[in-house]
Amino acid sequence: DAGITQSPRHKVTETGTPVTLRCHQTENHRYMYWYRQDPGHGLRLIHYSYGVKDTDKGEVSDGYSVSRSKTEDFLLTLESATSSQTSVYFCAISKIAGTGETGELFFGEGSRLTVL
Amino acid sequence: GNSVTQMEGPVTLSEEAFLTINCTYTATGYPSLFWYVQYPGEGLQLLLKATKADDKGSNKGFEATYRKETTSFHLEKGSVQVSDSAVYFCALSGSSASKIIFGSGTRLSIRP
Repeated sequence: DAGITQSPRHKVTETGTPVTLRCHQTENHRYMYWYRQDPGHGLRLIHYSYGVKDTDKGEVSDGYSVSRSKTEDFLLTLESATSSQTSVYFCAISKIAGTGETGELFFGEGSRLTVL
Repeated sequence: GNSVTQMEGPVTLSEEAFLTINCTYTATGYPSLFWYVQYPGEGLQLLLKATKADDKGSNKGFEATYRKETTSFHLEKGSVQVSDSAVYFCALSGSSASKIIFGSGTRLSIRP
């Protein structure tokens, strides 16, 4: 158990409303990630973080922002949700210590978001 | 850039059948390769990995060999069980740990 908690687990919202998903880890690992999972596309990286206040974009970052003010929390925000953002969102952590290393990811249980 | 291509699903097999799920990759340098499994309603979990050419990863009866000459990392199991029904993802990690790329996933269903 990698100690990853995502909240909320399920959310239904309307187009144009803001939504924030939270990822919390209990082990203080440096690297955290947000992916979205859609049929036919597998998992696609939205944003990732390599430390407090250090974040970078992934391959599908448009329409999303992130923040990491504490090591243990990584927030994903949809400023104005659209129907194309209906998806399952997964948070993941890596237990590596720095760049140049490769390691496995540990995933949360996912947050299912429906935008009507 | 880096990419992963895996066979389309769904794949349906009978119990005790032999399984192969194909995965090929494009990458610069020497990536690490992974297979992840996702059971219904859960997040992904690592099944096996290989970090250099000719390495064989194995776990729970599954195996995959890192073939640099064919840029492949095919997943195999000699005798599948109903409990193996899940979605399987091939993935690679390049020199930057931040860039972990997944394939589109292959759904496997095993009939009793």
